[in-house]
Amino acid sequence: GEDVEQSLFLSVREGDSSVINCTYTDSSSTYLYWYKQEPGAGLQLLTYIFSNMDMKQDQRLTVLLNKKDKHLSLRIADTQTGDSAIYFCAESIFGGSQGNLIFGKGTKLSVKP
Amino acid sequence: NAGVTQTPKFRVLKTGQSMTLLCAQDMNHEYMYWYRQDPGMGLRLIHYSVGEGTTAKGEVPDGYNVSRLKKQNFLLGLESAAPSQTSVYFCASSFVLAGHEQYFGPGTRLTVT
Repeated sequence: GEDVEQSLFLSVREGDSSVINCTYTDSSSTYLYWYKQEPGAGLQLLTYIFSNMDMKQDQRLTVLLNKKDKHLSLRIADTQTGDSAIYFCAESIFGGSQGNLIFGKGTKLSVKP
Repeated sequence: NAGVTQTPKFRVLKTGQSMTLLCAQDMNHEYMYWYRQDPGMGLRLIHYSVGEGTTAKGEVPDGYNVSRLKKQNFLLGLESAAPSQTSVYFCASSFVLAGHEQYFGPGTRLTVT
């Protein structure tokens, strides 16, 4: 079945780069997403990548996709304290029977001043 | 546009009580979803709907019922609440089925004692 795995915690210093990693199992994934959840709030889409791409850059965010290894990463350059949040990796599968996104458990990013 | 709204924001129930969580979206989205979020478990899909008058089971449907009488509203019901249903509930909507961005509500924190 589908499964998305992420490490649970990451701690970095302000100004450093953060790299959050994710692995997924379903090779028929069409889109892969990164969502951000701030304390007490819902999930907000940060960025996404289509499965036929291997990189996408959006300002401070860089998404890398290694389809062969089913590995997705999110790099946040010049990490700020406002980036402290939980980051969820998710995959969607076109024609999937459940019609939903499969989420990882989330990586809690802590940014120290 | 308000996006996706959820009511109530917080609720405490006693075991055996019933309640309905309301989700509303003003983006004319066809697809709507109910998730629950538990510590260390990520988001799990409870039920979803692909259009007005239709509903389908997700990963963890037991103990919940849903209805989509109007396109803009998706209701989640608990007929007889149990402590295991203590969770944060998120509603989401999307334009296409799991093929692209899901927009999330702010969540409802439910405690069952």
